[in-house]
Amino acid sequence: RKEVEQDPGPFNVPEGATVAFNCTYSNSASQSFFWYRQDCRKEPKLLMSVYSSGNEDGRFTAQLNRASQYISLLIRDSKLSDSATYLCVAQGGNTPLVFGKGTRLSVIA
Amino acid sequence: DAGVIQSPRHEVTEMGQEVTLRCKPISGHNSLFWYRQTMMRGLELLIYFNNNVPIDDSGMPEDRFSAKMPNASFSTLKIQPSEPRDSAVYFCASTTSGGVEAFFGQGTRLTVV
Repeated sequence: RKEVEQDPGPFNVPEGATVAFNCTYSNSASQSFFWYRQDCRKEPKLLMSVYSSGNEDGRFTAQLNRASQYISLLIRDSKLSDSATYLCVAQGGNTPLVFGKGTRLSVIA
Repeated sequence: DAGVIQSPRHEVTEMGQEVTLRCKPISGHNSLFWYRQTMMRGLELLIYFNNNVPIDDSGMPEDRFSAKMPNASFSTLKIQPSEPRDSAVYFCASTTSGGVEAFFGQGTRLTVV
């Protein structure tokens, strides 16, 4: 079983819609969590860290539920430029980042 | 800052040939990671180095794969002999010790025919 699991999608949503992705992790020792964004044929780049209290960055909101071991990403008022693959990432202590396979989002005009 | 630099960007080779992928991490970063990405398996960690020392190579598929980091500014991933199932995008990433963000290179797209 993969340590970090995501729905691969694709999620096809119209511009302006709100879309949410969930991700579950199996390693209860994981301490740090992130969302990375990967555009087609490009490298992954950090979108935002995920804090226990939840955090927001503009139209993006990330939340962590340690009891249920899941992480979420909410995108409000989606733009065409949000089309990409979103990778959920967990890290435990000094271990390297463990990536989910990603969820593909297509925002349609 | 030039970011993480990988070469070549694309490599097409015949089965059985040796392939060497190269990576220059960001100056000052002391952790370096090699990942492989395929549609089926996603992004998988192959090996990572801390201060030029291999820490965990349990993700290396088999003995055909080897990685070195002779100094803080250079690492190689070698596949010998290559097989068609090795076809993937190979990413190198670097970070500072305890750093939050991993910076990825643009990747090497390897095709073994």
